[in-house]
Amino acid sequence: LAKTTQPISMDSYEGQEVNITCSHNNIATNDYITWYQQFPSQGPRFIIQGYKTKVTNEVASLFIPADRKSSTLSLPRVSLSDTAVYYCLVGDSLHNDYKLSFGAGTTVTVRA
Amino acid sequence: NAGVTQTPKFQVLKTGQSMTLQCAQDMNHEYMSWYRQDPGMGLRLIHYSVGAGITDQGEVPNGYNVSRSTTEDFPLRLLSAAPSQTSVYFCATNPAGATTTDTQYFGPGTRLTVL
Repeated sequence: LAKTTQPISMDSYEGQEVNITCSHNNIATNDYITWYQQFPSQGPRFIIQGYKTKVTNEVASLFIPADRKSSTLSLPRVSLSDTAVYYCLVGDSLHNDYKLSFGAGTTVTVRA
Repeated sequence: NAGVTQTPKFQVLKTGQSMTLQCAQDMNHEYMSWYRQDPGMGLRLIHYSVGAGITDQGEVPNGYNVSRSTTEDFPLRLLSAAPSQTSVYFCATNPAGATTTDTQYFGPGTRLTVL
């Protein structure tokens, strides 16, 4: 099964940059790395996806080193509404049994 | 366009009862899946389907059955509910396959309590 490791929680203040790193040592060669955001009582929603180097959209940036064994989601200048759980998602090629599995998620709390 | 819908939103069962959680999508996506979410455990895959008539087990399939007779619907059945199945259940769809290159669309969830 996919093995991803993320910090359990992170605290921040409005206007700061938040960086969340996910470790995924067994990522498949052709896999993309996808991050999701989940607010209370809602299903997760897609934030950003990348394969290597850097990807940026209107919400976040994603940094992926050359070995692709980790990735960092960067949320610039967070606001109170960015308080949520963030998940990284990769496939699992370790056992030749391809199944999608989320990490435990990182709870980000933004304070005024 | 409703996207992914789930019913009911809340349900309380007694141990041993059976029920079906409904999931429907109007996006014509081939891939559908069920997850359960428990505190500190993230989202764990229960069952998934890559198209009508095809289903397969995920990470935690025991105690759950699924079927996929149409592209639109993917019900999850609990044959004999147990307290360990108390959880929030999410249905998700992908446009094509089961890879992370496809964005998953999640339903709003069903909160199930088994007493």
